[in-house]
Amino acid sequence: SQKIEQNSEALNIQEGKTATLTCNYTNYSPAYLQWYRQDPGRGPVFLLLIRENEKEKRKERLKVTFDTTLKQSLFHITASQPADSATYLCALQTGANNLFFGTGTRLTVIP
Amino acid sequence: GAVVSQHPSRVICKSGTSVKIECRSLDFQATTMFWYRQFPKQSLMLMATSNEGSKATYEQGVEKDKFLINHASLTLSTLTVTSAHPEDSSFYICSARRDREYGYTFGSGTRLTVV
Repeated sequence: SQKIEQNSEALNIQEGKTATLTCNYTNYSPAYLQWYRQDPGRGPVFLLLIRENEKEKRKERLKVTFDTTLKQSLFHITASQPADSATYLCALQTGANNLFFGTGTRLTVIP
Repeated sequence: GAVVSQHPSRVICKSGTSVKIECRSLDFQATTMFWYRQFPKQSLMLMATSNEGSKATYEQGVEKDKFLINHASLTLSTLTVTSAHPEDSSFYICSARRDREYGYTFGSGTRLTVV
């Protein structure tokens, strides 16, 4: 069966440290992998997109890696801040352009 | 940037009634829009793909007669929950994409409570 798993339901880190979130998938062949941020009671907000033939992408304090052999993506937030506290979702975009979401990781950055 | 507007943000309705949710792309045209449902502490589940000018495509297990989707123009898709029951209470979110190399833009969601 198809699965998208984010290995930590919740992650607490100290302010200033790097947060690393993991996304693993099975039985998908994604054309793109995306990361979103979701705050309580709100829709997800797009952060980064990485193509299947890309290994790494960066945007300001964010970095995403994509390993199609391991079927895994890592999402890093460097110099984390309390304002980064939210739920982070990975999502796979298939050739049909549908987007399928992982279970999410709730990140809390402690001041 | 791409903006998607969703209304209403909250709605409470009586069991057996119907509720319509609107999703508009404000600054771009969207031939395809997507409808998701999210239960508390769970991730988003794709319900259906809304196609402008044609029938929606529903995911397995989603009743098309219960969740009516209309995509009448390039900027508007509507989801109507018909004969709503308490188990339909959930957070409904729509999304659209401006172009292939960009992520999806989501509406702010609609919290539906059926009493």
